[in-house]
Amino acid sequence: DTAVSQTPKYLVTQMGNDKSIKCEQNLGHDTMYWYKQDSKKFLKIMFSYNNKELIINETVPNRFSPKSPDKAHLNLHINSLELGDSAVYFCASSQYPRGGELFFGEGSRLTVL
Amino acid sequence: DAKTTQPTSMDCAEGRAANLPCNHSTISGNEYVYWYRQIHSQGPQYIIHGLKNNETNEMASLIITEDRKSSTLILPHATLRDTAVYYCIVRAALLSGGSYIPTFGRGTSLIVHP
Repeated sequence: DTAVSQTPKYLVTQMGNDKSIKCEQNLGHDTMYWYKQDSKKFLKIMFSYNNKELIINETVPNRFSPKSPDKAHLNLHINSLELGDSAVYFCASSQYPRGGELFFGEGSRLTVL
Repeated sequence: DAKTTQPTSMDCAEGRAANLPCNHSTISGNEYVYWYRQIHSQGPQYIIHGLKNNETNEMASLIITEDRKSSTLILPHATLRDTAVYYCIVRAALLSGGSYIPTFGRGTSLIVHP
């Protein structure tokens, strides 16, 4: 079983559309994260949730809205997609909000045309 | 979390040891050093972590200096499959103090050649 799984793996869409990326972890962790990795390969944190509560929101445009229906899921919804949103989005989880190993998903490559 | 600095790139011959340095001069007493690697197009993968003692697992060894201001990740017998970007980050102790934010720098791009 994949510990942290993301869907879809690839997403190609037009500017202005709305899209979602889903993430699920089966590790029983309390904390989940979304990272964005752009073409320069810089891995930048976007959000973190601990037990369904938002604990990190790193100056991300409000077009990005994370949703955590339960502590095993953290979905990312993006409204009005822009060209600059093209990137690979990684979901991750850790047992604790301040420490512990991070377990990453395989990434979701978003291409906005 | 404390800032880390790593060389941008390194290379290593297959079968030889790869020694990847990391400076974390502002590390605080309750922060661990974690190493991850990212093989092309995959998600980052945890390798090893430590507080102050040297650590070894099936993937690598971690040497932390006595003052804890720097560390070295050692891949004892590098293979072509070890070609990846290696990230060193510092992160608080499990339940106490520190920032919530696990911050990754640019990492070191390691190329293992035949």
